[in-house]
Amino acid sequence: DAKTTQPPSMDCAEGRAANLPCNHSTISGNEYVYWYRQIHSQGPQYIIHGLKNNETNEMASLIITEDRKSSTLILPHATLRDTAVYYCISRRYNNNDMRFGAGTRLTVKP
Amino acid sequence: DVKVTQSSRYLVKRTGEKVFLECVQDMDHENMFWYRQDPGLGLRLIYFSYDVKMKEKGDIPEGYSVSREKKERFSLILESASTNQTSMYLCASSAGTGHQPQHFGDGTRLSIL
Repeated sequence: DAKTTQPPSMDCAEGRAANLPCNHSTISGNEYVYWYRQIHSQGPQYIIHGLKNNETNEMASLIITEDRKSSTLILPHATLRDTAVYYCISRRYNNNDMRFGAGTRLTVKP
Repeated sequence: DVKVTQSSRYLVKRTGEKVFLECVQDMDHENMFWYRQDPGLGLRLIYFSYDVKMKEKGDIPEGYSVSREKKERFSLILESASTNQTSMYLCASSAGTGHQPQHFGDGTRLSIL
């Protein structure tokens, strides 16, 4: 599975969009990109995943570049409860292992 | 919504004890996983199972065993607990094969004294 690179920390103002970048320049054709978040003392929460098309659900949007070397998770209207560590993971189809890196610590400020 | 329930949020045991961590999922998922999470080391896969009575070793199986007698339940066993097994233990489940995401429980913070 490709290695992913994320900034260690980011801040966002409450009510504004939070855009979290992820670099996965060595991603291969059958690897999906997954996003999770972990709020202190809880288990990781699944947010969204995609292969090459942009995806949207009730929590967030995932924008994957055309060359698939990077992606951005967008939380459209961040709230204080979105403060968490966000993990970007690439995983091969049918591979059972989720390789969590250090993630990005997002702090939403009032 | 997917629900993965771990039996205890916090657990304190003594060195040498046999420890059982239980995990139950309510979505009829085929796959279940046990991870441990330690500061600076991220999540590490201990064992996983893709069917009843089936198990596969992950990256760090030493000192652990698992049991899956029913589809919805996956147990992690510390045969003889040691202090270096103090950690946050996370259970996850996923549907079938392919690209389905794993869904995690809230974890058990285990302290071995």
